[in-house]
Amino acid sequence: DQQVKQNSPSLSVQEGRISILNCDYTNSMFDYFLWYKKYPAEGPTFLISISSIKDKNEDGRFTVFLNKSAKHLSLHIVPSQPGDSAVYFCAANFGNEKLTFGTGTRLTIIP
Amino acid sequence: DVKVTQSSRYLVKRTGEKVFLECVQDMDHENMFWYRQDPGLGLRLIYFSYDVKMKEKGDIPEGYSVSREKKERFSLILESASTNQTSMYLCASSFDRAIEAFFGQGTRLTVV
Repeated sequence: DQQVKQNSPSLSVQEGRISILNCDYTNSMFDYFLWYKKYPAEGPTFLISISSIKDKNEDGRFTVFLNKSAKHLSLHIVPSQPGDSAVYFCAANFGNEKLTFGTGTRLTIIP
Repeated sequence: DVKVTQSSRYLVKRTGEKVFLECVQDMDHENMFWYRQDPGLGLRLIYFSYDVKMKEKGDIPEGYSVSREKKERFSLILESASTNQTSMYLCASSFDRAIEAFFGQGTRLTVV
């Protein structure tokens, strides 16, 4: 049972444009959400997070939006750069439980 | 700087072999995790540990075991490697289960 879903396995975006990566979840108990970025042959690195008490969190070019009623979160990258090409995973948890990861979206930035 | 180190980047093992994957963290984190990453399946949790000598099954523990004798070290053991265990294995640690985990660089295991 996939509780965290990333329905787009891949996404291509022109350099300089906005990249929008989406994530849906089914467990209404989730109260903390994270995005990780992964390059090939490397471990994932933490990018940005959001608590369920917020609906937006910004860090430089990266913004995460949370829509609790729709059980949906999204990561916006503006402007997109070639170095942003990677696989992006969303993750969620509640209370003090372990993280549950999505299946990932491969983002390719076209120069 | 936070560091999680996995002992091997690439491993090739034969079917039926016993395989040890080692992970060491230098952040004094209580929590350590083993995941595997497969195309289209994302990161799936195999086992985790909240303290020395403590372990709990994740979502896909079958065919694996773990050992945590010291706080900084968490080992994943494949008792009898099979070809369906060919995968990228990722170790992670965290101070708090609920917040960000720090990952090692991964071990690409191929079972032939």
